[in-house]
Amino acid sequence: DVVMTQSPLSLPVTLGQPASISCRSSQSLVSSDGNTLLSWFQQRPGQSPRRLLYRVSNRDSGVPDRFSGSGSGTDFTLKISRVEAEDVGIYYCMQGTHWPPFTFGQGTKVEIK
Amino acid sequence: EVHLVESGGGLVQPGGSLRLSCAASGFTFSGSWMSWVRQAPGKGLEWVANINLDGSEKYYVESVKGRFSISRDNAKNSLYLQMNSLRAEDTAVYYCARGWTYESWGQGTLVTVSS
Repeated sequence: DVVMTQSPLSLPVTLGQPASISCRSSQSLVSSDGNTLLSWFQQRPGQSPRRLLYRVSNRDSGVPDRFSGSGSGTDFTLKISRVEAEDVGIYYCMQGTHWPPFTFGQGTKVEIK
Repeated sequence: EVHLVESGGGLVQPGGSLRLSCAASGFTFSGSWMSWVRQAPGKGLEWVANINLDGSEKYYVESVKGRFSISRDNAKNSLYLQMNSLRAEDTAVYYCARGWTYESWGQGTLVTVSS
């Protein structure tokens, strides 16, 4: 199984400042067709998860452009350019290249300092 | 607007059974792979099972193989998860999710396995 490792697991940030979360996979997430099926999800307190980004860097509809994704192979990053209060929550990366099983990272808790 | 509404959760004794349902609307259900993902209390997300467009392919996480069964009824725009031989470690909120990489999620239904 592909292991997804996120860091940090806890991220206190100041409002208006940038934030960055790393996600590393135990093997390359490039599929045989050249796609990289790495997604990012946000789970606000008390809510269901919501997909933010798919195939590394494609934003879902309605996702603010302060969220961006980058990376390739085994190393990926979610960046928030300027953190807002509504960004508090837990962020998960997930791989859909080598399945079953689909695997998630442990989650990174973003909170305001 | 996409809507996924789960139901069927509750309290069940170890060894018991439950059937979860997910009612879908706002998209072409028969054109989407569907999945179940769970989240134990205070824990992260875990993929449980998924099913292809016509229900002919089904995949499960190792820990539920032989106990859980995913199915769908495209005429009713509904997804199901039959859970048998439930264990304490199956206690979680169960979400249905649309698509290969979970582009939409329901609100979840809580399953508690306890005596």
